[in-house]
Amino acid sequence: GQQVMQIPQYQHVQEGEDFTTYCNSSTTLSNIQWYKQRPGGHPVFLIQLVKSGEVKKQKRLTFQFGEAKKNSSLHITATQTTDVGTYFCAGQKRSYGQNFVFGPGTRLSVLP
Amino acid sequence: EAGVAQSPRYKIIEKRQSVAFWCNPISGHATLYWYQQILGQGPKLLIQFQNNGVVDDSQLPKDRFSAERLKGVDSTLKIQPAKLEDSAVYLCASSLNPPFSGANVLTFGAGSRLTVL
Repeated sequence: GQQVMQIPQYQHVQEGEDFTTYCNSSTTLSNIQWYKQRPGGHPVFLIQLVKSGEVKKQKRLTFQFGEAKKNSSLHITATQTTDVGTYFCAGQKRSYGQNFVFGPGTRLSVLP
Repeated sequence: EAGVAQSPRYKIIEKRQSVAFWCNPISGHATLYWYQQILGQGPKLLIQFQNNGVVDDSQLPKDRFSAERLKGVDSTLKIQPAKLEDSAVYLCASSLNPPFSGANVLTFGAGSRLTVL
């Protein structure tokens, strides 16, 4: 079945440093979504990528979808303490029942 | 707009007991999902409803888990009997658009944390 992996599992950064998490799928995806889950909270939708090679930006966050639509990345520039949380990618492949498969997440800690 | 409501927020039971969780999705959202999130892992889909019909329950352990969505609005998820490995947060999510639309953004509730002793 479809598998979605993320690296790294954990990342500790100093406030102001950059952060990147990578998402890899075992199969070609129709689209991919990113969610953020604060400690003790629930996943909150950040963005969806659909097109091959697509790049989207939200303030300090840059999201990229690979050319082969099998991988994606989230890059945060100049991290802040408010960026703390776990970032999940979720891949959708229509031939697998159309539902999103979540990766295991990357937990980000930001030291002030 | 009101969010996805879930209850109870916390539940502690002993193994072999039963438990039920309730979810009220965002008004107008036809698609409802139940996810299981074990500590340190990503959410895993248990069941998906489109209105009051089951679309995908392939990962639901049907020997002990059941779910229903009568009238296509509220939903309940039941576990009977519970096992130690069922300890997790049970997240309910809803979306306005169906999965095949390519535009189904999931809005999650706060979750119900289950501890099985």
